Amino acid sequence: SQTIHQWPATLVQPVGSPLSLECTVEGTSNPNLYWYRQAAGRGLQLLFYSVGIGQISSEVPQNLSASRPQDRQFILSSKKLLLSDSGFYLCAWSVRGYGNQPQHFGDGTRLSIL
Amino acid sequence: GESVGLHLPTLSVQEGDNSIINCAYSNSASDYFIWYKQESGKGPQFIIDIRSNMDKRQGQRVTVLLNKTVKHLSLQIAATQPGDSAVYFCAENNYGQNFVFGPGTRLSVLP
Repeated sequence: SQTIHQWPATLVQPVGSPLSLECTVEGTSNPNLYWYRQAAGRGLQLLFYSVGIGQISSEVPQNLSASRPQDRQFILSSKKLLLSDSGFYLCAWSVRGYGNQPQHFGDGTRLSIL
Repeated sequence: GESVGLHLPTLSVQEGDNSIINCAYSNSASDYFIWYKQESGKGPQFIIDIRSNMDKRQGQRVTVLLNKTVKHLSLQIAATQPGDSAVYFCAENNYGQNFVFGPGTRLSVLP
């Protein structure tokens, strides 16, 4: 069966520090991969998605970037964190190429910027 | 633009009763819908999905109803249990890769 892992589960970082959040998927090949941010009481905001290695699409202008160095690895990064980057970050995957498919989520990273 | 919303932000039900969580969507071209359950501190968990060529789909203790005429989606949970307490999201997709998610409804199960 397929599983998705995100780490760390929680992270406290000072303003201006760099960020690297990692997500890996097991049990499937060539997945679509996604990064979301979830604000309290609001819907999920899509940040980035990827349909293949090295292919990244950004949905909103921001202080963050994403990379996909391997087929089942997705990384969310920042060179200098802002207070507004605080939030709950979720990674998700879906099957590629078969029309509408559900997205399956990891358990997220709670990021707090001090 | 597209939007997905919810009629009720919070819902409290007695244990053993049935729960109904509602969702409205605005894009009549949307053809695929999902309900997710999110427990505190965890990621959303897939519950059930439905495509626009159906108006009802059943799972284990859950039923999703789709009314395309009024662009309304609902999730029914039978014999609600304490473990059902969570936030429930609906999401819509119009054959693209990107879903639109609602803000969620918090379901509280009372003993």
